[in-house]
Amino acid sequence: DAMVIQNPRYQVTQFGKPVTLSCSQTLNHNVMYWYQQKSSQAPKLLFHYYDKDFNNEADTPDNFQSRRPNTSFCFLDIRSPGLGDAAMYLCATSSRDRVLQPQHFGDGTRLSIL
Amino acid sequence: LAKTTQPISMDSYEGQEVNITCSHNNIATNDYITWYQQFPSQGPRFIIQGYKTKVTNEVASLFIPADRKSSTLSLPRVSLSDTAVYYCLVGVLSGGYQKVTFGIGTKLQVIP
Repeated sequence: DAMVIQNPRYQVTQFGKPVTLSCSQTLNHNVMYWYQQKSSQAPKLLFHYYDKDFNNEADTPDNFQSRRPNTSFCFLDIRSPGLGDAAMYLCATSSRDRVLQPQHFGDGTRLSIL
Repeated sequence: LAKTTQPISMDSYEGQEVNITCSHNNIATNDYITWYQQFPSQGPRFIIQGYKTKVTNEVASLFIPADRKSSTLSLPRVSLSDTAVYYCLVGVLSGGYQKVTFGIGTKLQVIP
């Protein structure tokens, strides 16, 4: 009963070649997040959407962009991937409520740069 | 966002109770404490969340003292499948949803 689905699980791209990672959710959650997780490190928040409202973290490189065409889908675009962008990219969702709701994560897309 | 400090790693034998303590000295009045579990090549999974005192669910307990400057995740009778990284997060409910910062996490190794 996968609720946050990330495709593909593994992605290989060339240095400088644009790549898009996708995330879909069946939870109908308002908020969607993108995290970057490098080997043996904690997930680092890149940005998030609250409905269509985009919120970028201050230290997220301009190379990273995101699109959310509807509630269910969210995309992470890396315009010119560098070797340092090789990582696991995690998508998460949460609902908006007066009571705090946890985040639901997908299993990530592992991105390799050649 | 409040910073968290937790042990980098812990070892435990199967069947033992494991307690992982997290320090969050700068926790703010509106901050909640949440714990996630992450297995290799998977996304983090929510374990438990609390604001104060004690919270218990089917997998864990969370103990939060009155000053809320620390919290302890308690896993009863761990098994090999509990080997994972455990993250303590402190986050604020802002605009109706939670924004958090992950700390380094505690790598728990359960030994047969």
